[in-house]
Amino acid sequence: QVQLVQSGAEVKKPGASVKISCKASGYIFTSYAIHWVRQAPGQQRLEWMGWIIGGNGNTKYSQKFQGRATISRDTSASTVYMDLSSLTSEDTAAYYCARELGITVAGTGGFWGQGTLVTVSS
Amino acid sequence: DIQMTQSPSSLSASVGDRVTITCRASQTISSFLNWYQQKPGKAPKLLIYGASNLQSGVPSRFTGSGSGTDFTLTITSLQPEDFATYYCQQNYNTPLTFGPGTKLEIK
Repeated sequence: QVQLVQSGAEVKKPGASVKISCKASGYIFTSYAIHWVRQAPGQQRLEWMGWIIGGNGNTKYSQKFQGRATISRDTSASTVYMDLSSLTSEDTAAYYCARELGITVAGTGGFWGQGTLVTVSS
Repeated sequence: DIQMTQSPSSLSASVGDRVTITCRASQTISSFLNWYQQKPGKAPKLLIYGASNLQSGVPSRFTGSGSGTDFTLTITSLQPEDFATYYCQQNYNTPLTFGPGTKLEIK
């Protein structure tokens, strides 16, 4: 069955960077895109950060995170990474990876990781 | 960016009730609309995709409808496990955007 397992919680200081991993299993890794979505504490609105396309590994980012977020992958490890730099307290949130439901249903998070809490505090 | 709104923001209901949640897009999105359920401390779970298609394994008491700019999620015969927050999301274009959520609470 499809599974996405994310790395553990992180505590970072303002100005630092964080790199979160999302290890996929149960399907052909390069066949589906993976999205990154975050949610501020208190079940705030979900916020899409960007995605990495399955086939060629191209990436696309929300304008809000362009230049600060980097999504990459290691196909040999079936793992996607999301690196966020220049952290501020506004980046304190749960970060989720989500796999596309299907090839013909782009932009639909059919399978989700368990979430990684990132806390930014001095 | 396409703005998504939902109403109501919160809703109290009883087990066995029928409830309807509304989602509106700031521009037409055809049927590119998904619904998710989220419980505290958990990842969102896909319920409905393409406005009206039930995701595999989701009970048939959940139905979605609408197209263009106005959409609804209806839950018939509420069960205890349905009390959660519900989000709509457009996948018409990027950036993908979500509604603010509707919190469904037990009356």
